[in-house]
Amino acid sequence: NAGVTQTPKFQVLKTGQSMTLQCAQDMNHEYMSWYRQDPGMGLRLIHYSVGAGITDQGEVPNGYNVSRSTTEDFPLRLLSAAPSQTSVYFCASRARGGSYNEQFFGPGTRLTVL
Amino acid sequence: QKEVEQDPGPLSVPEGAIVSLNCTYSNSAFQYFMWYRQYSRKGPELLMYTYSSGNKEDGRFTAQVDKSSKYISLFIRDSQPSDSATYLCAMSAYNNYGQNFVFGPGTRLSVLP
Repeated sequence: NAGVTQTPKFQVLKTGQSMTLQCAQDMNHEYMSWYRQDPGMGLRLIHYSVGAGITDQGEVPNGYNVSRSTTEDFPLRLLSAAPSQTSVYFCASRARGGSYNEQFFGPGTRLTVL
Repeated sequence: QKEVEQDPGPLSVPEGAIVSLNCTYSNSAFQYFMWYRQYSRKGPELLMYTYSSGNKEDGRFTAQVDKSSKYISLFIRDSQPSDSATYLCAMSAYNNYGQNFVFGPGTRLSVLP
């Protein structure tokens, strides 16, 4: 199992450019999430999905778009990049149902917006 | 007031020391309490989780939860340089779509040989 994979590892954008951060998991997890991590702020939820075709907003959704056409993939789109979106982005997945289910994180994408 | 508070450190200790990491929280609905370890430029990985109040031990690591005080702790015994990392506390409560996770900002720990 590769677990949760993310591409690219690093990206530099100019203000106004758009891009897609890729996330894939091979554990057949129904739940997938996108977080951003900023110094002193902890991980903040951007968008999440509870299954293919179902997505919802998290704490900081503005400027980001998601879709979930398959169980495996959950891409995050930046529509018009802004310097405030400079951050480290983590994708996570976990199984659905029951009591506690461990959330697995990808290695992250470091994004700089100039 | 933030939902989860955690001292960001940095915390430096000599090898072999006992390390105490702590978080406080405000939402009494939290049921699961987790500690993640994050090495530099890596994703967080789960160390331990606890349901409700009490203690849980796993090797050199002990997690404690005091729901009455809304306070959780992670103790690391016989700390090693390989324990140098950022430690994130996290908590979860159920919503309509399952668990909602809230993370602390993390405490950066350095264990000096």
